[in-house]
Amino acid sequence: QQQVKQSPQSLIVQKGGISIINCAYENTAFDYFPWYQQFPGKGPALLIAIRPDVSEKKEGRFTISFNKSAKQFSLHIMDSQPGDSATYFCAARKGGGADGLTFGKGTHLIIQP
Amino acid sequence: KAGVTQTPRYLIKTRGQQVTLSCSPISGHRSVSWYQQTPGQGLQFLFEYFSETQRNKGNFPGRFSGRQFSNSRSEMNVSTLELGDSALYLCASSRASGVYNEQFFGPGTRLTVL
Repeated sequence: QQQVKQSPQSLIVQKGGISIINCAYENTAFDYFPWYQQFPGKGPALLIAIRPDVSEKKEGRFTISFNKSAKQFSLHIMDSQPGDSATYFCAARKGGGADGLTFGKGTHLIIQP
Repeated sequence: KAGVTQTPRYLIKTRGQQVTLSCSPISGHRSVSWYQQTPGQGLQFLFEYFSETQRNKGNFPGRFSGRQFSNSRSEMNVSTLELGDSALYLCASSRASGVYNEQFFGPGTRLTVL
């Protein structure tokens, strides 16, 4: 049972465009929603995270939009750059920290120059 | 400040053998979590240790075990290796246990089981 569903699986965006990755969850016990970026040969690195009492969080070119009633959240990368080409994972964690992070399957993002 | 280090970076074993992977967390971090990453299943939580105690465990068989030492360094062990255990094993450290503590990942140990 996949608790966090991520789409699309792969995404190609032109340089300067907006990259949008979506995630949906079922378990209302989730209380923390981070996004990770992973480059080949490296471990995932935290990009930005949000709690369910906030509908949007922005850090630089990265924005998380969160819709608690729809149980969906998304990552927007503004002014996408070739250096943003990587695999992106959404994740969720239950309140109390039980069970560790539950990850989506990942989105392979390619930014074309 | 040095990041999370994992050793070895690459490992080749045969079916039936056992393997031990090591993780050194960021200085001052007391919580260590382990994850398995495969192309088919993605990233899956194995277990978390805090103050030398296993706090949480994911849905993995008992062949997967771990421990944490008093200096917060952690090891995970996989016994009776199976072909399906081939994966990238990632260690993540955080200052403390708890849902909002940011987890910093190491580069992983790539395990190949032949």
